Amino acid sequence: GAVVSQHPSRVICKSGTSVKIECRSLDFQATTMFWYRQFPKQSLMLMATSNEGSKATYEQGVEKDKFLINHASLTLSTLTVTSAHPEDSSFYICSARDPGRGQGEQYFGPGTRLTVT
Amino acid sequence: AQSVAQPEDQVNVAEGNPLTVKCTYSVSGNPYLFWYVQYPNRGLQFLLKYITGDNLVKGSYGFEAEFNKSQTSFHLKKPSALVSDSALYFCAVRDSSGNTPLVFGKGTRLSVIA
Repeated sequence: GAVVSQHPSRVICKSGTSVKIECRSLDFQATTMFWYRQFPKQSLMLMATSNEGSKATYEQGVEKDKFLINHASLTLSTLTVTSAHPEDSSFYICSARDPGRGQGEQYFGPGTRLTVT
Repeated sequence: AQSVAQPEDQVNVAEGNPLTVKCTYSVSGNPYLFWYVQYPNRGLQFLLKYITGDNLVKGSYGFEAEFNKSQTSFHLKKPSALVSDSALYFCAVRDSSGNTPLVFGKGTRLSVIA
């Protein structure tokens, strides 16, 4: 149980276009989801926290107008990278918290590799 | 604010030898501590966690970790390393109160040499 999926696993887009990444909790309802970004050979940096039905809370330095997060249902959160630039190329990982399991553990998706050309 | 320090970027160990990957943390309240492993171009796989109770926690693939409150440490250990253990290891912490997200260390790359 406690599976989180991401789609797509890999995407290549041109500069100036927008890309949407989906994160789904498959067998539980996630009231809270988190989006992380990972640069090569670096750690996971928290981008934002999203709670179902409310606006996401962004970490300092993350542009909310560039990284649009929507958490419209208890099983789906989306991250849209708008007007993508090569510096947005990264590995994006979502995580969902199951409030009914353990101590609110976080479960991670497999990640999405974004390459902006 | 929460933080995690993994002082070693790289740990090299011979197959069959014991391994230790170090982690220290800082959190305002009681900590929830986690270890994850990441293989190339993959997401994170959960290894083990400390929430409460015994300070020695046993997890997946023969890994264990010891919570040391006085030293604010949560080092990952395995008695006998395998080549297949070679990967990137992350320590993470969150405060036990509230709905705070996990904060990760920078990661330690473990290389087990045959």
